[in-house]
Amino acid sequence: GQSLEQPSEVTAVEGAIVQINCTYQTSGFYGLSWYQQHDGGAPTFLSYNALDGLEETGRFSSFLSRSDSYGYLLLQELQMKDSASYFCAVTKNRDDKIIFGKGTRLHILP
Amino acid sequence: NAGVTQTPKFRVLKTGQSMTLLCAQDMNHEYMYWYRQDPGMGLRLIHYSVGEGTTAKGEVPDGYNVSRLKKQNFLLGLESAAPSQTSVYFCASRRDPSTDTQYFGPGTRLTVL
Repeated sequence: GQSLEQPSEVTAVEGAIVQINCTYQTSGFYGLSWYQQHDGGAPTFLSYNALDGLEETGRFSSFLSRSDSYGYLLLQELQMKDSASYFCAVTKNRDDKIIFGKGTRLHILP
Repeated sequence: NAGVTQTPKFRVLKTGQSMTLLCAQDMNHEYMYWYRQDPGMGLRLIHYSVGEGTTAKGEVPDGYNVSRLKKQNFLLGLESAAPSQTSVYFCASRRDPSTDTQYFGPGTRLTVL
């Protein structure tokens, strides 16, 4: 089988840093993506890792360790607008399906 | 440039009825996907297409059929709707294998009574 595991909920304070972890077990791995989804909205792309290491895009960074089948999304300088659900997704092969985790609901306290 | 659009936005069906959801993209993307989203279940892949005239099964294909007769359109059909198919359906497109970025449509909220 295949699975992506991420925490169901995370709570952090405005202005702080939060890390959302994702572990995966899939038959094939090409890359790990992260998406943000606000209530009632559609998912939007945040970041992608195909190789080990850290990718930085503004306040958001994403990390991948292929040997550990593990990645994380790091959000810095949290703002209230970052309150949303965050999904990790695995692309199994270059021309293949993309499978999503169940999502992490991020709550931000003022 | 509208991106990815979905029709309709909302629909209520009775058990046993059929319907087709339309996804259209104007970005000339090769790949298109249909997902369903249920509370606590994340996004589950129903079917996908890697090019015009091709389709493939995802994680939860049963009860659904798809067609990609034109590159810009990806249709999802429910032949005989069941209450278990009550969900929010998202379509997404991806340019080609060189990128993993998916662009999602606004979703269709379907209720089957």
